[in-house]
Amino acid sequence: AQSVTQPDIHITVSEGASLELRCNYSYGATPYLFWYVQSPGQGLQLLLKYFSGDTLVQGIKGFEAEFKRSQSSFNLRKPSVHWSDAAEYFCAVGTTQTGANNLFFGTGTRLTVIP
Amino acid sequence: EAGVAQSPRYKIIEKRQSVAFWCNPISGHATLYWYQQILGQGPKLLIQFQNNGVVDDSQLPKDRFSAERLKGVDSTLKIQPAKLEDSAVYLCASSGQIAKNIQYFGAGTRLSVL
Repeated sequence: AQSVTQPDIHITVSEGASLELRCNYSYGATPYLFWYVQSPGQGLQLLLKYFSGDTLVQGIKGFEAEFKRSQSSFNLRKPSVHWSDAAEYFCAVGTTQTGANNLFFGTGTRLTVIP
Repeated sequence: EAGVAQSPRYKIIEKRQSVAFWCNPISGHATLYWYQQILGQGPKLLIQFQNNGVVDDSQLPKDRFSAERLKGVDSTLKIQPAKLEDSAVYLCASSGQIAKNIQYFGAGTRLSVL
């Protein structure tokens, strides 16, 4: 069965510092991997995705993520965090079973940015 | 291009009452999803439509939840009767034929059951 683990419930970083959010997945085949961001009272916005090819993917707002098959990981990174990055971040794995394109989400990591 | 529209944004009801949520997907998107997001958790898929047909409703509590997408465009999700544990944000998402593995989400409806 597929699953996603985000081991960090809450992370606090200083503005301008680097950021890495961890994500591990479990899925028998090659997964589709996503990072979404959710600001308070808002829906989920897609940051980036990995389907195949280059394992380092670039997203919006200066984010990037690296797919490591050997570690079943898809960690999200940003070299310099801005105060507006404070939000909830969700990693998700997409599967195609019986024609359905399902997304399985982790429990999220809440990012706090301090001045 | 307009995004996924949901209404209402907030709803407060008492247990055992009924409630309905509405979703209008991105124009031309054939696939529509309803998710339940309980506080402190990630979204969980309730039901997926392809046009007006159900593709996956294995996680939908069918004794109290129902959903329809009669004309293959907008959709309604209903809860009847509501329980306290139904308090959550209900998110609607849609995806298109070209990039069918990318889901676009609405802002959600926050339901509080008292």
